[in-house]
Amino acid sequence: DTAVSQTPKYLVTQMGNDKSIKCEQNLGHDTMYWYKQDSKKFLKIMFSYNNKELIINETVPNRFSPKSPDKAHLNLHINSLELGDSAVYFCASSHRQGPNTGELFFGEGSRLTVL
Amino acid sequence: TQLLEQSPQFLSIQEGENLTVYCNSSSVFSSLQWYRQEPGEGPVLLVTVVTGGEVKKLKRLTFQFGDARKDSSLHITAAQTGDTGLYLCAGRLTGGGNKLTFGTGTQLKVEL
Repeated sequence: DTAVSQTPKYLVTQMGNDKSIKCEQNLGHDTMYWYKQDSKKFLKIMFSYNNKELIINETVPNRFSPKSPDKAHLNLHINSLELGDSAVYFCASSHRQGPNTGELFFGEGSRLTVL
Repeated sequence: TQLLEQSPQFLSIQEGENLTVYCNSSSVFSSLQWYRQEPGEGPVLLVTVVTGGEVKKLKRLTFQFGDARKDSSLHITAAQTGDTGLYLCAGRLTGGGNKLTFGTGTQLKVEL
């Protein structure tokens, strides 16, 4: 049973298109995240939701819109895709326990290539 | 400049050698974690350290949190090919809530 699953795993699309990545976790966690990993392997947080409420929103272009229909799902919709959006996008989840020690469980990533 | 800088960025060694990876910052962290990421997969947690000066061991891996909670190190003894991967430190700033910030990463390759 996959703990954090993302679809699709690979996405190749043209500049200007709109695309979505879906994420689901079956760990019973109440906090979910989207991270972007660039070509240098740097992982940068984009968004975090706790019980469907947005709690972290980094300086991400408005073209990126997360949606959490329930605490087990966090989807990412991207409008008007640009070349610089090419990256691997990781979904993760954790318990929102004390602020210090929560382990993040990551999905396998969704590799987005914008042509 | 990133909040957490790791060194070295790349490391290629022979099986059986020892190595140390460093994770440095000018900021104070309430906790620090180390993750390992293999190709095509997401990062997986190795350890969490929360007390300044804390040392944790995981088989051949030794993790240390700096006394001032601004830095950490990962030492691998007698590296094996299975240790190959991307090692990422990640920290939560004191007063920064649940936001986990990742380091710049160290790509380790262990060859026979």
